[in-house]
Amino acid sequence: NAGVTQTPKFQVLKTGQSMTLQCAQDMNHEYMSWYRQDPGMGLRLIHYSVGAGITDQGEVPNGYNVSRSTTEDFPLRLLSAAPSQTSVYFCASSSPAGTPPTYEQYFGPGTRLTVT
Amino acid sequence: SQQGEEDPQALSIQEGENATMNCSYKTSINNLQWYRQNSGRGLVHLILIRSNEREKHSGRLRVTLDTSKKSSSLLITASRAADTASYFCATTTGANSKLTFGKGITLSVRP
Repeated sequence: NAGVTQTPKFQVLKTGQSMTLQCAQDMNHEYMSWYRQDPGMGLRLIHYSVGAGITDQGEVPNGYNVSRSTTEDFPLRLLSAAPSQTSVYFCASSSPAGTPPTYEQYFGPGTRLTVT
Repeated sequence: SQQGEEDPQALSIQEGENATMNCSYKTSINNLQWYRQNSGRGLVHLILIRSNEREKHSGRLRVTLDTSKKSSSLLITASRAADTASYFCATTTGANSKLTFGKGITLSVRP
């Protein structure tokens, strides 16, 4: 199993450009999420999905769109990049285990995005 | 908003010593998890403790949970240089799967 994969690893955008960060998992996990990590801020949840066709906002959703057409893929779209979106982006996936269910998350390697 | 708050922010110890990291949180939780992040890498799950548990062990890791004080501690025994990393606590509330992370602790283990 490849686990959670993310592409690209690095990206530089100009202000106003749009792009899509790709995330895929091969563990048949129901739950997928996107986080951004900024220095001194820990990880903050952008959007998440509890299954194909279902998405919801996290703590910092503005400026980002997501869709979940398949179980495997959960792309994150930046609509009009801003310097404030310079960050490291992590995708994660999980499935419930135990009773009551808990969710151990598996993370991808991250995408380092710079917006100039 | 951050639910978990780790303490200390940075910790430097000698190889072979024990490392203790603390996490405090604000609201009632379903479970608390600890993750490790090596420099430039994604996070890796270390251990999970449910709200009705007080202590769990996994190899050289020991985690405790005190729900009355809304705090948890992670103990790494006999530390190694390879334990150098950032450590995050994360909590879930209610029955959902959303994790809320703290800002992390940077652990340096000197050879």
